[in-house]
Amino acid sequence: NAGVMQNPRHLVRRRGQEARLRCSPMKGHSHVYWYRQLPEEGLKFMVYLQKENIIDESGMPKERFSAEFPKEGPSILRIQQVVRGDSAAYFCASSPGGRYSNQPQHFGDGTRLSIL
Amino acid sequence: DQQVKQNSPSLSVQEGRISILNCDYTNSMFDYFLWYKKYPAEGPTFLISISSIKDKNEDGRFTVFLNKSAKHLSLHIVPSQPGDSAVYFCAASMGANAGGTSYGKLTFGQGTILTVHP
Repeated sequence: NAGVMQNPRHLVRRRGQEARLRCSPMKGHSHVYWYRQLPEEGLKFMVYLQKENIIDESGMPKERFSAEFPKEGPSILRIQQVVRGDSAAYFCASSPGGRYSNQPQHFGDGTRLSIL
Repeated sequence: DQQVKQNSPSLSVQEGRISILNCDYTNSMFDYFLWYKKYPAEGPTFLISISSIKDKNEDGRFTVFLNKSAKHLSLHIVPSQPGDSAVYFCAASMGANAGGTSYGKLTFGQGTILTVHP
């Protein structure tokens, strides 16, 4: 999984705190996707971003969750006022993009979020 | 609404034999399909993909077959090796032919745990 860098690898927060998860895409990739994996489940799409634009946030919970991919720097997934149900593995993926070509997404190793 | 399903939670195979992992989908708008392999505490690793204009794609020991009329795809691994033991996810997307913003995002199956015995 070299290339897509996520940090931190593990994050522990108490209920009510904020969690910030960072993702740097592979070099040359301008499309970033966030997925969440709950225990014993597959990965679920959350949000798709390009630089400075949210393309599709249909998988994001309506409250407490936000994402950005600024012109400079990594993409950030932010969870405010965390609750126990937010405990999961959060994966970031990137692709070269391009609307008219099929390109596989490449994943980082994820951030394991634990809520106490 | 599980649009991509992997109905076998686990599969056990002897080393050297063929492993066949299956995946079914319901959304006829999907036109790009991928298989990922995942080890514990790591992210999914891309294995192989297939576009809906093809029915087969091969890469070394890995072959993916797509049956559009049955909305079914399978991954064949031959010969299987102990290092292949992992969780395998199939995924689908509305790729280049989709309109709007639906293209790109992957819809995953629940995964199949493959164990290859020496």
